[in-house]
Amino acid sequence: DAKTTQPNSMESNEEEPVHLPCNHSTISGTDYIHWYRQLPSQGPEYVIHGLTSNVNNRMASLAIAEDRKSSTLILHRATLRDAAVYYCIRSNTGNQFYFGTGTSLTVIP
Amino acid sequence: DTGVSQNPRHKITKRGQNVTFRCDPISEHNRLYWYRQTLGQGPEFLTYFQNEAQLEKSRLLSDRFSAERPKGSFSTLEIQRTEQGDSAMYLCASSSRHPGSEKLFFGSGTQLSVL
Repeated sequence: DAKTTQPNSMESNEEEPVHLPCNHSTISGTDYIHWYRQLPSQGPEYVIHGLTSNVNNRMASLAIAEDRKSSTLILHRATLRDAAVYYCIRSNTGNQFYFGTGTSLTVIP
Repeated sequence: DTGVSQNPRHKITKRGQNVTFRCDPISEHNRLYWYRQTLGQGPEFLTYFQNEAQLEKSRLLSDRFSAERPKGSFSTLEIQRTEQGDSAMYLCASSSRHPGSEKLFFGSGTQLSVL
């Protein structure tokens, strides 16, 4: 039970920002929001995670809605290497990481 | 940090045969996970270990599947009497213990094809 909802696919032009949305309307107060991405023929790769506040790292930014029922992964400048399937996941103590079907991101040169 | 290592990368077997996969996690990680992924789907949780203890198993893990993690280091996943429906990518991941906020580090997986 993934408990998150994402669009099946999105497209972006190279070097433009990308906003990948995720809905998690039944999130509990202790659930973290994680994002992973998976390149073809590879295992998933950690991107970013957060609890309540917006988070930034070298790969991306995570914007979490004030009510925490949705979040957005932001890639500031898409490159061809960012073409992947992006998974939004809820997790907390004792819960496992349940992946949904994710969003397949296509980057157009 | 050499990452999570999985062997073999590919396995082709005939229906009814037994197969075993190995996962070597990052050395200081005490949690180890197994996932299965079929084409077009996200990874599905199978089971996880904390040190040598197997703490949770998914309903997906039928009695033909068994996983072990002796001494809390590497892990093996065995599938007995393989079926064509077992064909999938089997992924292993490890993490250190920071519940909820832990990061999973995945291996590149073992691709199983059952003929």
